[in-house]
Amino acid sequence: AQKVTQAQTEISVVEKEDVTLDCVYETRDTTYYLFWYKQPPSGELVFLIRRNSFDEQNEISGRYSWNFQKSTSSFNFTITASQVVDSAVYFCALTTRVDNQFYFGTGTSLTVIP
Amino acid sequence: SQTIHQWPATLVQPVGSPLSLECTVEGTSNPNLYWYRQAAGRGLQLLFYSVGIGQISSEVPQNLSASRPQDRQFILSSKKLLLSDSGFYLCAWSVLGTGGTGELFFGEGSRLTVL
Repeated sequence: AQKVTQAQTEISVVEKEDVTLDCVYETRDTTYYLFWYKQPPSGELVFLIRRNSFDEQNEISGRYSWNFQKSTSSFNFTITASQVVDSAVYFCALTTRVDNQFYFGTGTSLTVIP
Repeated sequence: SQTIHQWPATLVQPVGSPLSLECTVEGTSNPNLYWYRQAAGRGLQLLFYSVGIGQISSEVPQNLSASRPQDRQFILSSKKLLLSDSGFYLCAWSVLGTGGTGELFFGEGSRLTVL
């Protein structure tokens, strides 16, 4: 069975601080896909990134970076120099080649204090 | 480009009344379609998903139902709403692409309040 765990329920940081959101996943499938989504107060979920299980290369996009480590089954998300606009709930998700379902973590609520 | 539309955006309904939320996808063919519900301050709960016309999989037994009358149309319904049906409903779609499983794209959401 697939499972995604986001142990951090709520995080508060002061603007310009760096923050890392943790995501740990479980799956027995060898081919799987990991995602991060952002849900701002407006409610719509915004896709941020997809990572395939066969590609462990980390990725950086502006102030965002993602660290994928198969050895620890983790796909962590770091925001550098956080801004108030980063305040949102962030979800990590998993799906596999043989599954039509997406498994979401419970989300981490990030508040950036000006 | 692909887009997804979901309506109505906001709905206030009395207990026992019917419900119909609609979702349409444009710019793609044969998408997988999903209905999620998010209770206040909670995570995402998968309600239904569909891999084709008339093919509906239900994840949670409840008084809700879903239908897919056309390839890019997904409808969430209820004959009699319960207070516990209040929440934020999100429609989403994905397509299995050449690079592997496609990402899930979400509609704007429908906020339902049952009084």
